[in-house]
Amino acid sequence: EAQVTQNPRYLITVTGKKLTVTCSQNMNHEYMSWYRQDPGLGLRQIYYSMNVEVTDKGDVPEGYKVSRKEKRNFPLILESPSPNQTSLYFCATKFTTLPRNEQFFGPGTRLTVL
Amino acid sequence: GDSVTQMEGPVTLSEEAFLTINCTYTATGYPSLFWYVQYPGEGLQLLLKATKADDKGSNKGFEATYRKETTSFHLEKGSVQVSDSAVYFCALSDGSGYSTLTFGKGTMLLVSP
Repeated sequence: EAQVTQNPRYLITVTGKKLTVTCSQNMNHEYMSWYRQDPGLGLRQIYYSMNVEVTDKGDVPEGYKVSRKEKRNFPLILESPSPNQTSLYFCATKFTTLPRNEQFFGPGTRLTVL
Repeated sequence: GDSVTQMEGPVTLSEEAFLTINCTYTATGYPSLFWYVQYPGEGLQLLLKATKADDKGSNKGFEATYRKETTSFHLEKGSVQVSDSAVYFCALSDGSGYSTLTFGKGTMLLVSP
């Protein structure tokens, strides 16, 4: 089954404790991306990757890191989480060749930073 | 830069009512337009899309027509069901495979029996 998986689905942590949210896809998509969803703000892109070893900042990259060492994985790293990073996070993937350019989303990770 | 504006919710309807959720956009060139749906506790799913002017996307009884003259992509359904209760997001990309999605803020739809 084609899917995008995220782990963990729920996480409560404390300020400053490094964490990683994993994203994995089995569709051989080149493009992977991270979004955060906040009430009243919709979805905002954090980072994206066009392919292995190629990453770029989205609209709200501050406080986050990513890496793309393998095509199927795109982890999101919070080196020193702060309460303003409490949010719902989504990973999304797609092909980069048209016309199959719609994005597929993971189930989300709800993060609470105390 | 590109932007998407959609009507604020929540939109509250009775079952079998007609639904319209407005979406307008600002973009250069010829973007592709999308509607995504987010059911409670789940990720976003593509509902429908249109890639050029006058295209009509449709799925599960929902429709939207790409209107370049009014820069709009309004979502409609003739008869909503309780199971349609969800948050709906309008989005655009610049039409290239390498582009990212720009989302509207989402509209919550609540359908009562």
